[in-house]
Amino acid sequence: GAVVSQHPSRVICKSGTSVKIECRSLDFQATTMFWYRQFPKQSLMLMATSNEGSKATYEQGVEKDKFLINHASLTLSTLTVTSAHPEDSSFYICSARPGQGYGYTFGSGTRLTVV
Amino acid sequence: AQSVTQLDSHVSVSEGTPVLLRCNYSSSYSPSLFWYVQHPNKGLQLLLKYTSAATLVKGINGFEAEFKKSETSFHLTKPSAHMSDAAEYFCVVSFNFGNEKLTFGTGTRLTIIP
Repeated sequence: GAVVSQHPSRVICKSGTSVKIECRSLDFQATTMFWYRQFPKQSLMLMATSNEGSKATYEQGVEKDKFLINHASLTLSTLTVTSAHPEDSSFYICSARPGQGYGYTFGSGTRLTVV
Repeated sequence: AQSVTQLDSHVSVSEGTPVLLRCNYSSSYSPSLFWYVQHPNKGLQLLLKYTSAATLVKGINGFEAEFKKSETSFHLTKPSAHMSDAAEYFCVVSFNFGNEKLTFGTGTRLTIIP
């Protein structure tokens, strides 16, 4: 079945530094990938839609310059949290699907802690 | 616009008894509907999906859901709960075409009582 691999699973960084999270589709090509953020005991909120070869589409209220998204190939999208602050600490999850009619496959998530 | 409402934030059932997790949706167009399960600090696993084929959808681990257009519902059921079913469950809606954006329900935490 479709597999999405997300790394790292857990990262701790200092305030002011940047962190990159990778999302890979292992056995299918994904022209579109999605990045979500999940606060404790809450649902997933879509942050942005990553489009291969073009700019990402950000949801209202999401800072483009803070959450940089790059989708350079059909199997890889990256989310970089720039100048991280403690309030950026959260669980970040990516997803993609092989095509219409398929379910969406989610990565295992990245727990980001900014200290 | 599309939205999804999970009517119960928390459901507790005894092991071996039926499970019912309720979900109602709103969509201007023909929707795709999904149920996902999330165990603590894990990603989401697809349980089942409805994409305009059979209205009764069978998923993994004995779960199933029925799409009822007249009631705009997509409730998740399982005849007999198992301890391993304890997790967070999300009902999700998307359009069948065009924008693939997913809209998540607020989640239902399922607790299984031994």
